[in-house]
Amino acid sequence: NAGVTQTPKFRVLKTGQSMTLLCAQDMNHEYMYWYRQDPGMGLRLIHYSVGEGTTAKGEVPDGYNVSRLKKQNFLLGLESAAPSQTSVYFCASSYTGRNTGELFFGEGSRLTVL
Amino acid sequence: AQSVTQPDIHITVSEGASLELRCNYSYGATPYLFWYVQSPGQGLQLLLKYFSGDTLVQGIKGFEAEFKRSQSSFNLRKPSVHWSDAAEYFCAGGDNNNDMRFGAGTRLTVKP
Repeated sequence: NAGVTQTPKFRVLKTGQSMTLLCAQDMNHEYMYWYRQDPGMGLRLIHYSVGEGTTAKGEVPDGYNVSRLKKQNFLLGLESAAPSQTSVYFCASSYTGRNTGELFFGEGSRLTVL
Repeated sequence: AQSVTQPDIHITVSEGASLELRCNYSYGATPYLFWYVQSPGQGLQLLLKYFSGDTLVQGIKGFEAEFKRSQSSFNLRKPSVHWSDAAEYFCAGGDNNNDMRFGAGTRLTVKP
């Protein structure tokens, strides 16, 4: 049982380049999330989805876009990468909302923007 | 605004010693509270959660946490730490408005 899988695990970009992070879950969860983790700041929510075809902004959405075309997949896009987006990105999913339910996390994607 | 604070950035304990990691929250009503653990290079894993009822909750790996409304705290404890407990620990709090926030984390080092 794979759980939550993120690809790629590592990526180096130049300023202004674009990229997409893919998250896939096999637990049939309705809710999916993208977080970024920075030293001393914990995890901050970028965008989330409460079901197929839906997306919503989290705490730090600027510079990112997301799509949830299929229930099992949640894509995070950076249209024009900036050094401030250097971070470790985590995808998570849950059966109920994140405020009440257990979040299942992927192993993270480390992004460096030069 | 709702927030979760972990006052200790880094804690070092000897193997076999007891452990307490602090967490304070600022929520108006009784929050939903969680502790997650992150091993190096891994995602986060849920240790335990509190919604209501008994204020002492038991979790996986021998951890427990106590909700104290008077102190706005939800501290994580373990009677005897093992070397494999070295990790980063995150407290998180949620409310009825589908909001949830993580603390900044406490890194635990275990001395042999």
